[in-house]
Amino acid sequence: KAGVTQTPRYLIKTRGQQVTLSCSPISGHRSVSWYQQTPGQGLQFLFEYFSETQRNKGNFPGRFSGRQFSNSRSEMNVSTLELGDSALYLCASSPSDRGETQYFGPGTRLLVL
Amino acid sequence: GEDVEQSLFLSVREGDSSVINCTYTDSSSTYLYWYKQEPGAGLQLLTYIFSNMDMKQDQRLTVLLNKKDKHLSLRIADTQTGDSAIYFCAESNMGRRALTFGSGTRLQVQP
Repeated sequence: KAGVTQTPRYLIKTRGQQVTLSCSPISGHRSVSWYQQTPGQGLQFLFEYFSETQRNKGNFPGRFSGRQFSNSRSEMNVSTLELGDSALYLCASSPSDRGETQYFGPGTRLLVL
Repeated sequence: GEDVEQSLFLSVREGDSSVINCTYTDSSSTYLYWYKQEPGAGLQLLTYIFSNMDMKQDQRLTVLLNKKDKHLSLRIADTQTGDSAIYFCAESNMGRRALTFGSGTRLQVQP
């Protein structure tokens, strides 16, 4: 089976812009989660989707949003980008509706100038 | 809230065993994981253990769980230079589903 894929892999944006990142889970996986990784804060949970519904949300401002489509693909959007949003954004999918055993994609590295 | 702690750095010689330690605070943790991250890459799930187990072995990897002390360890036997990476400990429970990660342990394997 193909692994979790994320596009684009690298992105450069300027402050105030918005960005959309895409994630395709492993075939058959319906749970998709997003995480932000920065040198200062480490790995932090953003949100989790299952069957097009957001089930869980981390402690991030409303500028961070996401959605999941009927084919389980997911997108996350960050509006009004700030310098501190520069990070590696990781998507993970899980075969279980309980969300354990999460398998991660290679990530999208976002640089905000 | 939930917290996971790891030491930051470990250096071993090739062929030796490596032991990476982790402590966590959430007594309701159900699943405990070890992930590996190589430079510029995502997270690779190495192994995981349910909280009702105390040991799991998978080829060169041995996970030990002391639930009473909330202590998890990962032992890598016959460590190779390809094992050089950052290793993350993580936990979750059935209600929360989100993973809480430690800060990662950088393993350096010297030839």
